[in-house]
Amino acid sequence: EPEVTQTPSHQVTQMGQEVILRCVPISNHLYFYWYRQILGQKVEFLVSFYNNEISEKSEIFDDQFSVERPDGSNFTLKIRSTKLEDSAMYFCASTPPAAFRGAFFGQGTRLTVV
Amino acid sequence: AQSVSQHNHHVILSEAASLELGCNYSYGGTVNLFWYVQYPGQHLQLLLKYFSGDPLVKGIKGFEAEFIKSKFSFNLRKPSVQWSDTAEYFCAVNPNNAGNMLTFGGGTRLMVKP
Repeated sequence: EPEVTQTPSHQVTQMGQEVILRCVPISNHLYFYWYRQILGQKVEFLVSFYNNEISEKSEIFDDQFSVERPDGSNFTLKIRSTKLEDSAMYFCASTPPAAFRGAFFGQGTRLTVV
Repeated sequence: AQSVSQHNHHVILSEAASLELGCNYSYGGTVNLFWYVQYPGQHLQLLLKYFSGDPLVKGIKGFEAEFIKSKFSFNLRKPSVQWSDTAEYFCAVNPNNAGNMLTFGGGTRLMVKP
């Protein structure tokens, strides 16, 4: 069964550093997403991406964040100048081109900012 | 803003017990409803979904959920749980006019004792 894969599974970074979280969505999917879950809190939507541009974003997704599809397979989330409160599990997801029927999620990257 | 509530944060059951996990949402319009499961160390996996039609939907692994529009609820049920059902369960809502964004509940950790 095709899967969304994320790397790395765990990333530790120092406050103020930039991190890039990587995702390989399912190959025939066209919509891509990032969600995050701070420990003990809800899974929160960050951003959706379609046709090489952001289609929706939440209030959390400020100028510190950016997304990119650098090639035909990868989808990345960049966090500039990380803060302690960015520590969370970040989930990538993708959906096929048909009407929305639920997203397929990756295993997540646990980001720890120290 | 819409919200999703899962009132049971932790549930402990013995094998063969029946399960019901509550999910309520606050949104007045038409919604699509989902239950996801996350087994330890794995990705969020879609259990079942409701879009329209029969309000009782059946998913994988013997799970089912009932949409009760008047109660804004979408409770998850399983008549007889197994130890392998130990996981975290997330209810999610996608309002029909909100693109492809999912709003998640806080999750319920289920532990099934053998």
